[in-house]
Amino acid sequence: AQRVTQPEKLLSVFKGAPVELKCNYSYSGSPELFWYVQYSRQRLQLLLRHISRESIKGFTADLNKGETSFHLKKPFAQEEDSAMYYCALNTGNQFYFGTGTSLTVIP
Amino acid sequence: EPEVTQTPSHQVTQMGQEVILRCVPISNHLYFYWYRQILGQKVEFLVSFYNNEISEKSEIFDDQFSVERPDGSNFTLKIRSTKLEDSAMYFCASSGGRKNQPQHFGDGTRLSIL
Repeated sequence: AQRVTQPEKLLSVFKGAPVELKCNYSYSGSPELFWYVQYSRQRLQLLLRHISRESIKGFTADLNKGETSFHLKKPFAQEEDSAMYYCALNTGNQFYFGTGTSLTVIP
Repeated sequence: EPEVTQTPSHQVTQMGQEVILRCVPISNHLYFYWYRQILGQKVEFLVSFYNNEISEKSEIFDDQFSVERPDGSNFTLKIRSTKLEDSAMYFCASSGGRKNQPQHFGDGTRLSIL
């Protein structure tokens, strides 16, 4: 069963426009959710996790248990935000990644 | 900032041969992981390792695969009798003292089976 769904494989937005990368999860327990980012030719890096409720590089993500979502948002996209973004779910036993969304910010 | 390091960055191996992928996790981390990413597909969990034994493994991690922590620093993934479909990017990750701590990833090893 697909644990983490990222419905958009590709997403393009103009610089300065708001961006939202969608993530939905499937898990009956208490989820622990993360967003990872992979810039071109670099390693996967932790962007943020839901329990810390922080904003990193202007990105935020709120866990919505009713909608089982953990969408990543930024009000004003920057060119340097162009990267691959992965939503991940930790069930305590395993770590599940979504298929990723490739974000392109157009100058 | 400490990093997870993986060697080699690219490994080319003939089908049927054995391959060992190496990882040096962050030194004070206790949990270690291997993931696989076939080209164009998602990152897939293979195995987690804690206290010198496998704690979790996925259905992908069959008898062809094994992991080892041969000394205090290295964490290896061995793939026996490699198949063409084993070609992928293999990522090592480590995390700190608690099981649900975020994982830190290495750059990955690109494995190409000919």
